[in-house]
Amino acid sequence: DSGVTQTPKHLITATGQRVTLRCSPRSGDLSVYWYQQSLDQGLQFLIQYYNGEERAKGNILERFSAQQFPDLHSELNLSSLELGDSALYFCASSQGQGAYGYTFGSGTRLTVV
Amino acid sequence: QQQVKQSPQSLIVQKGGISIINCAYENTAFDYFPWYQQFPGKGPALLIAIRPDVSEKKEGRFTISFNKSAKQFSLHIMDSQPGDSATYFCAASNQAGTALIFGKGTTLSVSS
Repeated sequence: DSGVTQTPKHLITATGQRVTLRCSPRSGDLSVYWYQQSLDQGLQFLIQYYNGEERAKGNILERFSAQQFPDLHSELNLSSLELGDSALYFCASSQGQGAYGYTFGSGTRLTVV
Repeated sequence: QQQVKQSPQSLIVQKGGISIINCAYENTAFDYFPWYQQFPGKGPALLIAIRPDVSEKKEGRFTISFNKSAKQFSLHIMDSQPGDSATYFCAASNQAGTALIFGKGTTLSVSS
């Protein structure tokens, strides 16, 4: 157990729908990162939050949004879902703002049908 | 777009052999180079990492070799075991950045 908790583990939904993925970071970690993993694109950085504030943005679609709450858990919201959004979504956490010592959760597998 | 290029895409090694995975990067500002190991159904787990001030780092059977002038680094797995069968990702970042840039991954199969 990495200490990073992601729920749900699996999610099946229809095109056009909206889903929310949840991540609880390791105790003491202030940064949360979201990544999308697909077979063709590999691990793509989506967005980072540090202590409640957005810190960096990567290849995140406008249909996707995220936030980090005062208790430091984070949610990734995916809307107007398309078939191509089917992927593994990983959350990672770290103590500081930098990329050192990322710890990943086990991921949420999203299937859009 | 900053890139990290990883090769080979897949690798089959006999038990007891040496597995070698290579990565090349473009951004000379990168100063942190980790390797992650991922088993099916699990998230990537940090295996070993190196900074550019050293040319080699060894932890058990795993060694990172780093060539700053060539902008390349590699992972060597000595005495490869079936339990090492997994997907390996190289990555890079810099002190000013916050996101790891990952290679596309190498699927390693160690045959017994």
